[in-house]
Amino acid sequence: DAGVTQSPTHLIKTRGQQVTLRCSPKSGHDTVSWYQQALGQGPQFIFQYYEEEERQRGNFPDRFSGHQFPNYSSELNVNALLLGDSALYLCASSFFWGSRPYLGYTFGSGTRLTVV
Amino acid sequence: KNQVEQSPQSLIILEGKNCTLQCNYTVSPFSNLRWYKQDTGRGPVSLTIMTFSENTKSNGRYTATLDADTKQSSLHITASQLSDSASYICVVYNYGQNFVFGPGTRLSVLP
Repeated sequence: DAGVTQSPTHLIKTRGQQVTLRCSPKSGHDTVSWYQQALGQGPQFIFQYYEEEERQRGNFPDRFSGHQFPNYSSELNVNALLLGDSALYLCASSFFWGSRPYLGYTFGSGTRLTVV
Repeated sequence: KNQVEQSPQSLIILEGKNCTLQCNYTVSPFSNLRWYKQDTGRGPVSLTIMTFSENTKSNGRYTATLDADTKQSSLHITASQLSDSASYICVVYNYGQNFVFGPGTRLSVLP
């Protein structure tokens, strides 16, 4: 049973460029959440997707956008990259309508983005 | 404001010793609290999950406690091993389906 899969594992981009990160949820999960984790900090919530729509959003600018596909996989897009966007980007999946949806909350290994 | 604080920020112990990590939270309404272990550059892995009615939960050498009245939790690690070196993150989940993450405690276990 595959867990949460993220790609790529590492990425180096230049300031001003655009980047797309990908996430495949755990089998049976239909909800994907994205987090940004700066070095030495806890994860910060970016947004959550369910039924191909953004359901919740954290305090991140519009440069951060996402998409969820019919197979529940998801993409995170960041435009006009800044040096401060350098971080570990984590994807977590869960089942939205369970009686206790938090129980299945599973993280991927993350994508390390470096902006130079 | 929903917040989770952890202490100490970092900790160094010798292999075989015990240690306790602390978590204080102000998240409301409270649903549950979980402790994650995160190896450097990897995603967090859940260690324990506790709801309001649970005050102790163990997972091998890891034992978490929860005092919902004082809004405090602790994670006790027994007989530490080198592989315990990681960041330990306290996370509180509220009924809005929001997770509030603490900054983590960085544990280093030395031989």
